[in-house]
Amino acid sequence: DQQVKQNSPSLSVQEGRISILNCDYTNSMFDYFLWYKKYPAEGPTFLISISSIKDKNEDGRFTVFLNKSAKHLSLHIVPSQPGDSAVYFCASGGTYNFNKFYFGSGTKLNVKP
Amino acid sequence: NAGVTQTPKFRVLKTGQSMTLLCAQDMNHEYMYWYRQDPGMGLRLIHYSVGEGTTAKGEVPDGYNVSRLKKQNFLLGLESAAPSQTSVYFCASSPGDQPQHFGDGTRLSIL
Repeated sequence: DQQVKQNSPSLSVQEGRISILNCDYTNSMFDYFLWYKKYPAEGPTFLISISSIKDKNEDGRFTVFLNKSAKHLSLHIVPSQPGDSAVYFCASGGTYNFNKFYFGSGTKLNVKP
Repeated sequence: NAGVTQTPKFRVLKTGQSMTLLCAQDMNHEYMYWYRQDPGMGLRLIHYSVGEGTTAKGEVPDGYNVSRLKKQNFLLGLESAAPSQTSVYFCASSPGDQPQHFGDGTRLSIL
């Protein structure tokens, strides 16, 4: 049973517009949430994170929102650029648990020029 | 900076053969992890280690063994490969309080 779900396998967005990627989790004990970006033939690279004590974290064009009551997080990319085209994984887990994370199945983002 | 290096990058095995995947990190990280990624699924944790000489089971440990004899290396072994173990394997490391750093993966096919 998946503890982290990304229900949209793919998303296509025009360059300059906002990309919104969504993620749901089931375990209320999770206290740390991350987004990773993955290009083909490469490993995932860390993008942005948020702890459960916050509901928003920004880093440049990337913002992660956390709604603990809904067990939902989202990644906003504004403005989207063609170089953002990649697979995005959300991961949730606990700093109490040796940083073991559960990953979603990924959303493939395509930003069209 | 090498970061996390996985060896080999590709391998084809026959059912029943054994092999070892090597992961090496040069960041002096305490924690290391092995994941597998299958189509339509996220990365699933196979085994992990919280320090030299320690190992622990993750979500999908069956059919795999691991060893962490040196802090910088984490080995993943398949004693008797099965077609269900065809996958892309990722190794990661972390200092424990920061996000994990991943290698570029090993693509393993078992015929």
